[in-house]
Amino acid sequence: AQSVTQPDIHITVSEGASLELRCNYSYGATPYLFWYVQSPGQGLQLLLKYFSGDTLVQGIKGFEAEFKRSQSSFNLRKPSVHWSDAAEYFCAVGPFLSGNTPLVFGKGTRLSVIA
Amino acid sequence: EPEVTQTPSHQVTQMGQEVILRCVPISNHLYFYWYRQILGQKVEFLVSFYNNEISEKSEIFDDQFSVERPDGSNFTLKIRSTKLEDSAMYFCASSEQGDIQYFGAGTRLSVL
Repeated sequence: AQSVTQPDIHITVSEGASLELRCNYSYGATPYLFWYVQSPGQGLQLLLKYFSGDTLVQGIKGFEAEFKRSQSSFNLRKPSVHWSDAAEYFCAVGPFLSGNTPLVFGKGTRLSVIA
Repeated sequence: EPEVTQTPSHQVTQMGQEVILRCVPISNHLYFYWYRQILGQKVEFLVSFYNNEISEKSEIFDDQFSVERPDGSNFTLKIRSTKLEDSAMYFCASSEQGDIQYFGAGTRLSVL
């Protein structure tokens, strides 16, 4: 069965500093990979996705993620964090063999941004 | 930008009562999902729905749960007899082609 591991429960970074959130997945084939963000009181907003092709994908709000098959990783990065980036970040995987296949989420990483 | 709408944002109920959580998916989407997130835990899949029937369901989605698309716009999750452990944030999602899922803001269910 597929699984997603986000090893960092909570990360604190200074505003303007770079950010990398880690995500490792376990799946037998190349999965579809996603990062979602959840701000307080909000739903899950899609940041970016990887289906195939270029392993470096760009998303909204200046985020990017790199798919590394050899490491089964899909880490999220941002070169300069803004205070508004403080939120919970979820990595998710979905094989989408049928189109109804559910997403499997990691436990999430809470990002705090300090001045 | 079209979005998934969920109502109510917070539902408080007594143990043993029935609750219905409502969702309005994005209008041209064909695939619908319910997930839940117990406080402090990961988001878990409950059920997917396509072509007016359940496509897949998890172990969590037992006989106490049901889903329905009563008309062309709403997608509902019913819990027949709520238990304390049903307290969670429930997310509805929809997808046009079954690849990218768009989520609503969630309904926080509190069972007392």
